[in-house]
Amino acid sequence: DAGVIQSPRHEVTEMGQEVTLRCKPISGHDYLFWYRQTMMRGLELLIYFNNNVPIDDSGMPEDRFSAKMPNASFSTLKIQPSEPRDSAVYFCASSLRGLNTEAFFGQGTRLTVV
Amino acid sequence: GESVGLHLPTLSVQEGDNSIINCAYSNSASDYFIWYKQESGKGPQFIIDIRSNMDKRQGQRVTVLLNKTVKHLSLQIAATQPGDSAVYFCAETPMNTGFQKLVFGTGTRLLVSP
Repeated sequence: DAGVIQSPRHEVTEMGQEVTLRCKPISGHDYLFWYRQTMMRGLELLIYFNNNVPIDDSGMPEDRFSAKMPNASFSTLKIQPSEPRDSAVYFCASSLRGLNTEAFFGQGTRLTVV
Repeated sequence: GESVGLHLPTLSVQEGDNSIINCAYSNSASDYFIWYKQESGKGPQFIIDIRSNMDKRQGQRVTVLLNKTVKHLSLQIAATQPGDSAVYFCAETPMNTGFQKLVFGTGTRLLVSP
């Protein structure tokens, strides 16, 4: 397996634009997580899914953020409208049995909102 | 005002030395702990984990020690190599999140000199 695949690797957008980040988890993994990494706050869990169903979205910063998982092999994290403070590296991770087991991270998407 | 980023403690060692990276965790009822390694431009990579009913676990060149009395976790790397240079994060699943969230520490930068 190629591991967790995220796209794009880098995204630069203007404030107010919609941004969509994409993730393909490892095949067979039941759990998918979205994290955000910044210098100020480190690694933060935004939301996670189990069997395509959102379980805990309490880490999503505000209503401008939304995440979907339409099937077992694809998830999106959308920011609309984007703001400069959303600039960060966004990671997707997947695991077989949830948070108390090893999670495999993608390479991340570096988002810059100008 | 200007943002102040997280200050990452740095451990500098010579190639071949043993390294010890320490982490103080926050919740005495945390159930599960993981060490991750993050190289520049990459996502975190699982190194080793340990459950709260254990106090030591060994992997290949790495050992994790858990001291629940003082809420301290350490990662020992034997015969450190230049390829071990990275930021190392400890993570825990605290009881106040229902053991459902992996909470990351701020990280320690390991620099290995040849």
